[in-house]
Amino acid sequence: GENVEQHPSTLSVQEGDSAVIKCTYSDSASNYFPWYKQELGKRPQLIIDIRSNVGEKKDQRIAVTLNKTAKHFSLHITETQPEDSAVYFCAASINSRNQFYFGTGTSLTVIP
Amino acid sequence: KAGVTQTPRYLIKTRGQQVTLSCSPISGHRSVSWYQQTPGQGLQFLFEYFSETQRNKGNFPGRFSGRQFSNSRSEMNVSTLELGDSALYLCASRTGELGNEQFFGPGTRLTVL
Repeated sequence: GENVEQHPSTLSVQEGDSAVIKCTYSDSASNYFPWYKQELGKRPQLIIDIRSNVGEKKDQRIAVTLNKTAKHFSLHITETQPEDSAVYFCAASINSRNQFYFGTGTSLTVIP
Repeated sequence: KAGVTQTPRYLIKTRGQQVTLSCSPISGHRSVSWYQQTPGQGLQFLFEYFSETQRNKGNFPGRFSGRQFSNSRSEMNVSTLELGDSALYLCASRTGELGNEQFFGPGTRLTVL
């Protein structure tokens, strides 16, 4: 089956700096890649997603890039703020199987 | 629209007991997936139900089972609880169409003593 690896597991940045989280996947049939943010004690919330027919997607300070050839995708957060502190999960989905495979998460801390 | 709800929010059980968790999806959503979340392991997929049928299953032992009712509400059952079953159990619902976003419930925190 699909295997999703996520790095780094922890990340600390100064407020205002950028943060980058990287994920790799193994199954070239994966074609939907969501990113979730989970604040302490709360449920995961979708923050951005990308489909395999697109190389990059942006939403204000958040962007996701996808390299299908290398089978990796990344989350970029610019001008980080303390409220960006959370655990971020990447996931990959193969539409035909209706199943999501998650990375192990990145704990992001933004230092004021 | 009301979000995904899960009951109970917290449970404490002892080894050997069994437990049933409930998930009510967003109205109109026919797919419900269950995940186990533990520190360091991320979200591990348990199973997915769509229109009362199990459509996908993760790599968990047979002690973990589930079902879905005609109103799309889903239950998950764990029998013969082990200490290692302590985790946050999340359910997520979506319309069921391919590639659609899934929405998570708040989770049930299960502690096995």
